Amino acid sequence: GQNIDQPTEMTATEGAIVQINCTYQTSGFNGLFWYQQHAGEAPTFLSYNVLDGLEEKGRFSSFLSRSKGYSYLLLKELQMKDSASYLCAVRDLSGDYKLSFGAGTTVTVRA
Amino acid sequence: ETGVTQTPRHLVMGMTNKKSLKCEQHLGHNAMYWYKQSAKKPLELMFVYSLEERVENNSVPSRFSPECPNSSHLFLHLHTLQPEDSALYLCASSQDLGSTNEKLFFGSGTQLSVL
Repeated sequence: GQNIDQPTEMTATEGAIVQINCTYQTSGFNGLFWYQQHAGEAPTFLSYNVLDGLEEKGRFSSFLSRSKGYSYLLLKELQMKDSASYLCAVRDLSGDYKLSFGAGTTVTVRA
Repeated sequence: ETGVTQTPRHLVMGMTNKKSLKCEQHLGHNAMYWYKQSAKKPLELMFVYSLEERVENNSVPSRFSPECPNSSHLFLHLHTLQPEDSALYLCASSQDLGSTNEKLFFGSGTQLSVL
């Protein structure tokens, strides 16, 4: 399986930028996902990276470096509604339908 | 609204009870999953079904019994649970298994408390 690490909690101010890092170890990398989960709600898909580089989607961007086993999710112009848990998940070549998840990073946005 | 509906949202049960969790997806997907989410821990994959056939049973105790009568419905039957089984149980679906960029669509989960 994979060893996926991400910080437990982060706090930022409304309008600011927050970067959530995720590091992973895998025998055969086959894609990395970010999900957002508001308290009491379903996790929802945010982004997918399989090649190195930055993927931008509005206020959210995700970066991947396969050689470093590293990704980050960048949240810009933070809004109160961005307060949520952000889950990093990695797909491995050895189990092509399995996603291994990190424990999630709880982001709190303060006014 | 993710297209995946779970009931009940909350469930409290004693260790001798029998209950079932229900999941329904309205997305026309072929694969369905059960995950367990405990506080501050990664999601744990429990079961995977593809076209109503179980393809994964991830060392889950027999007190958890899944059922997939058709590609739209998934159940998790519970009996003689332990307090450590208290967690959020998430159902998910995906179009198929195995595509590299296959993303999961989750339900809101059933928050289970075992007393």
